[in-house]
Amino acid sequence: GAVVSQHPSRVICKSGTSVKIECRSLDFQATTMFWYRQFPKQSLMLMATSNEGSKATYEQGVEKDKFLINHASLTLSTLTVTSAHPEDSSFYICSVARVTAGGRSYEQYFGPGTRLTVT
Amino acid sequence: RKEVEQDPGPFNVPEGATVAFNCTYSNSASQSFFWYRQDCRKEPKLLMSVYSSGNEDGRFTAQLNRASQYISLLIRDSKLSDSATYLCVVNGVGGSNYKLTFGKGTLLTVNP
Repeated sequence: GAVVSQHPSRVICKSGTSVKIECRSLDFQATTMFWYRQFPKQSLMLMATSNEGSKATYEQGVEKDKFLINHASLTLSTLTVTSAHPEDSSFYICSVARVTAGGRSYEQYFGPGTRLTVT
Repeated sequence: RKEVEQDPGPFNVPEGATVAFNCTYSNSASQSFFWYRQDCRKEPKLLMSVYSSGNEDGRFTAQLNRASQYISLLIRDSKLSDSATYLCVVNGVGGSNYKLTFGKGTLLTVNP
């Protein structure tokens, strides 16, 4: 079954508005979640690491004031795209990390993604 | 050199064929390695982790060569449902076990 859910799956908004995307860990409590972005025909790019109860860690080149992340509980992280512009149109995907059997490594499981179109 | 580099593809193969994907990574300190598959306009789904000794899961075999910084995925007896983009993914870049770096992916189309 699904490990991670995201809502909404698709959103169309006007330029200048803000959009909130929710990511929920369904199977376990996740102190850390991740937000990625994927443009057409491109790789997934990590935007930020969301930490429960503390500030998110942003990757270089990602504006923290534009992409607001809140990780208020162990099962929910939200990404708000503020003052969205057409160039923010993309596929936004969250993930959670789970320790593999035997504790050898972490495996990441992705939500179904949110397709944002800014007109 | 890109952090994770894959065969650009695309690969078009008939049903039943065997197909191999290759991937190289640049950071010798990388700790964990994965193959994900991504269907068109969907999220990536974990196909298999790749361990040093190599591992097999049904028709899929993954190999890791740390000395050459090389990862491979072999698919035997291809099915139509194997059509997807296959992503080589490396963990542990930048000293973090969590951070994943993705290759651009290799598109596979299995034809009837």
